[in-house]
Amino acid sequence: VMTQSPLSLPVTLGQPASISCRSSQSLVHSNGNTYLNWFQQRPGQSPRRLIYQVSNRDSGVPDRFSGSGSGTDFTLKISRVEAEDVGIYYCMEGTHWPPWTFGQGTRVEIK
Amino acid sequence: EVQLVESGGGLVQPGESLRLSCAASGFTLSNYWMHWVRQAPGKGLEWVSYIHSDGSNTGHADSVKGRFTISRDSAKNTLYLQMNSLRVEDTAVYYCVRDSSGLGDYWGQGTLVTVSS
Repeated sequence: VMTQSPLSLPVTLGQPASISCRSSQSLVHSNGNTYLNWFQQRPGQSPRRLIYQVSNRDSGVPDRFSGSGSGTDFTLKISRVEAEDVGIYYCMEGTHWPPWTFGQGTRVEIK
Repeated sequence: EVQLVESGGGLVQPGESLRLSCAASGFTLSNYWMHWVRQAPGKGLEWVSYIHSDGSNTGHADSVKGRFTISRDSAKNTLYLQMNSLRVEDTAVYYCVRDSSGLGDYWGQGTLVTVSS
């Protein structure tokens, strides 16, 4: 089970934001890798992957997004929130597949 | 440019069948693991099915096991999801998703499946 917090996050433009994702079991694979991804879904759009394997940014993802964590506790940070960052953010684990399991989602909105 | 274009969604009655297609371009489908992920209206993301790059190994969520089948046609570079015995709770947008360095490097625009009497 993947548990995100908070589920709703009002933020001020230009301020930092942080989303937590906790797994009910360690996400360290037997090969040593940790398969924890973060996705952004803007209103009316398909999801987009931001981060793979905890901390690797996908191509084209602004460097204000960063991922960290280990074992069962992970965090997505936005260093300075911009208007285009509004949407729902999901973590997902791909270590103990199948299934691949998503968190409930965190809604980021501008105050 | 990598593109995934889903089609085949629509309105069906409970118990009926539907086949979704996902036409891939810009890459060779058979070189990647591929997934179907769905999203019920106003809800979160739910993984549905995967197919290994070898084409032989597949897997399905418990919620669809025995009713849905994932497959691909390498010659057409197209992924499929055969959905039988559809239920009201299968109503969702279905996304075709590529797996590179993990699930989700590319997503299609989604196709809406509505199951209602």
